[in-house]
Amino acid sequence: AQTVTQSQPEMSVQEAETVTLSCTYDTSESDYYLFWYKQPPSRQMILVIRQEAYKQQNATENRFSVNFQKAAKSFSLKISDSQLGDAAMYFCASPRGRTSGTYKYIFGTGTRLKVLA
Amino acid sequence: NAGVTQTPKFQVLKTGQSMTLQCAQDMNHEYMSWYRQDPGMGLRLIHYSVGAGITDQGEVPNGYNVSRSTTEDFPLRLLSAAPSQTSVYFCASRAPGLAGGRPQYFGPGTRLTVL
Repeated sequence: AQTVTQSQPEMSVQEAETVTLSCTYDTSESDYYLFWYKQPPSRQMILVIRQEAYKQQNATENRFSVNFQKAAKSFSLKISDSQLGDAAMYFCASPRGRTSGTYKYIFGTGTRLKVLA
Repeated sequence: NAGVTQTPKFQVLKTGQSMTLQCAQDMNHEYMSWYRQDPGMGLRLIHYSVGAGITDQGEVPNGYNVSRSTTEDFPLRLLSAAPSQTSVYFCASRAPGLAGGRPQYFGPGTRLTVL
């Protein structure tokens, strides 16, 4: 079965420091995107960053960047200059395959990030 | 724009009761999905739709029904609630194309408790 694995249930980082959340996935698709979503205590799911599998260049959004290693099927999220507002659950998502002409996405189990003042 | 809206925000049911979770989006997105979120299990896909009149099953469809009569609405029906359906339910929508690269927009979720 295709899976998405987040091996770190919980991480802590000191404010202003850098933290990396890991994610490995397994897909048979050749053209796809990968996503990181953030879920703060409000429960709202928010897109953090996405990576196109065909692009060699790692995606960057302000303090958030990814380390995408396609051959290893690894898609980690780096948060630089961590802020208290970054405290949340983080989920990575990868496509599971196509039916009805569209991708179904599966999510990892999440990593809870704590930011220490 | 309201984005994706879900009602109700909270619901308590007794075993065997039925109910419908409502989801609506105003972004004219063709693709809509329902997920459930349980502790330690992430989000799991229940059902999804690629357009009005077209639905398909996700990973955990048993005990749930969906229909899509309009682009805007995608209700989720619990036929006979069971305690195992206690969860937080999220509706999401996205535009098609870009090899699945369009981001999903999520509603605020419904916390359902089945006693």
